[in-house]
Amino acid sequence: GEDVEQSLFLSVREGDSSVINCTYTDSSSTYLYWYKQEPGAGLQLLTYIFSNMDMKQDQRLTVLLNKKDKHLSLRIADTQTGDSAIYFCAETPGFQKLVFGTGTRLLVSP
Amino acid sequence: EAQVTQNPRYLITVTGKKLTVTCSQNMNHEYMSWYRQDPGLGLRQIYYSMNVEVTDKGDVPEGYKVSRKEKRNFPLILESPSPNQTSLYFCASGSRVSVEGYTFGSGTRLTVV
Repeated sequence: GEDVEQSLFLSVREGDSSVINCTYTDSSSTYLYWYKQEPGAGLQLLTYIFSNMDMKQDQRLTVLLNKKDKHLSLRIADTQTGDSAIYFCAETPGFQKLVFGTGTRLLVSP
Repeated sequence: EAQVTQNPRYLITVTGKKLTVTCSQNMNHEYMSWYRQDPGLGLRQIYYSMNVEVTDKGDVPEGYKVSRKEKRNFPLILESPSPNQTSLYFCASGSRVSVEGYTFGSGTRLTVV
């Protein structure tokens, strides 16, 4: 079945890199997404990667995709306190549905 | 501004009292969906709609109803709310022609006592 797993918590210091990992199950997902949720807010699309890509870079964000292992990661370079939030990865077994991971709470300390 | 608008943002109600959470989008998206978010469980899909008058169950539809009479609106109806429906609810909309996933509303925090 569909199951997307993430670690629940990550703590880093300001200026360090953060790496948030995700494993997914549906190899037919065309796109894989990363969303950010700040306290009291909805979900904001951070970035996405097409399933035939290995890597995508967007300013401070780097997404790596290992299709063989069904592993997705999000690297945030030069992490800032404003990056503190919950990060969700999501797979798309079909357009009608996003399957979300449990979310990783990133805490950035000064 | 392109957005998904949910109302209300916060709601406290009593068991058994029917309520409706509204959702409206201004992007002419054909797809709309409702999710609930619970600690440790991420977001789970309740219902979705691929177009007007077309709705289908998601993973956790029990206790909920939806309707899609117009393209822009997709209300979530709880006929007889129970405490286990206390949760944070998100509405989302999307289009097949866009690869950028879905646009989410700001959420409705519902407490059923």
